[in-house]
Amino acid sequence: EIVLTQSPGTLSLSPGERATLSCRASQSVSSSYLAWYQQKPGQAPRLLIYGASSRATGIPDRFSGSGSGTDFTLTISRLEPEDFAVYYCQQYGSSPRLTFGGGTKVEIK
Amino acid sequence: EVQLVESGGGLVQPGGSLRLSCAASGFTFSSYDMHWVRQATGKGLEWVSAIGTAGDTYYPGSVKGRFTISRENAKNSLYLQMNSLRAGDTAVYYCAREELWAKGSGMDVWGQGTTVTVSS
Repeated sequence: EIVLTQSPGTLSLSPGERATLSCRASQSVSSSYLAWYQQKPGQAPRLLIYGASSRATGIPDRFSGSGSGTDFTLTISRLEPEDFAVYYCQQYGSSPRLTFGGGTKVEIK
Repeated sequence: EVQLVESGGGLVQPGGSLRLSCAASGFTFSSYDMHWVRQATGKGLEWVSAIGTAGDTYYPGSVKGRFTISRENAKNSLYLQMNSLRAGDTAVYYCAREELWAKGSGMDVWGQGTTVTVSS
């Protein structure tokens, strides 16, 4: 089973700052099969990135994804007030077929 | 408008059963892979099951043998039959669509969720 470990658990930043979120896999993950989601309190998750680096429809270009193998990164270039939320990475594997990381909370400093 | 609406959640005793439904609208339901994902209060996301366009089904070990995912394309509906429920199954259950999960396209539309509480 591939385990995804996200770090840090909480990131305290100010609007306008750059956010760098990490997702590390216990085994190599194909770049095609790594996605990122944003979730705000009381809301369903929203797809941000798929295929490690492709932005989903309607996602602003301040969000970018990168990485390969076991190390993946979600970068928010300049935090907007609406970006403070919890972020999850997700991978497609063999058994189980799909797992999520534990999440990183981006909070206002 | 593309939309997924879950229903069927509620309070059930341990060992009991519940059937969740997800009504899809605004897109060609039969062309999409579908998932159920759950989230316990204050916790992260946990994938529960998936069904492909051909009706192939997939589960993690935590629910395999207890949960059954199915779809009825004529009714644009997705279902999750949950049996032998445990306290640890208490969560908000979301349905979500994916264009082609064999390509890792991501779950791009989610419902608002339905709450399942397993308690005596």
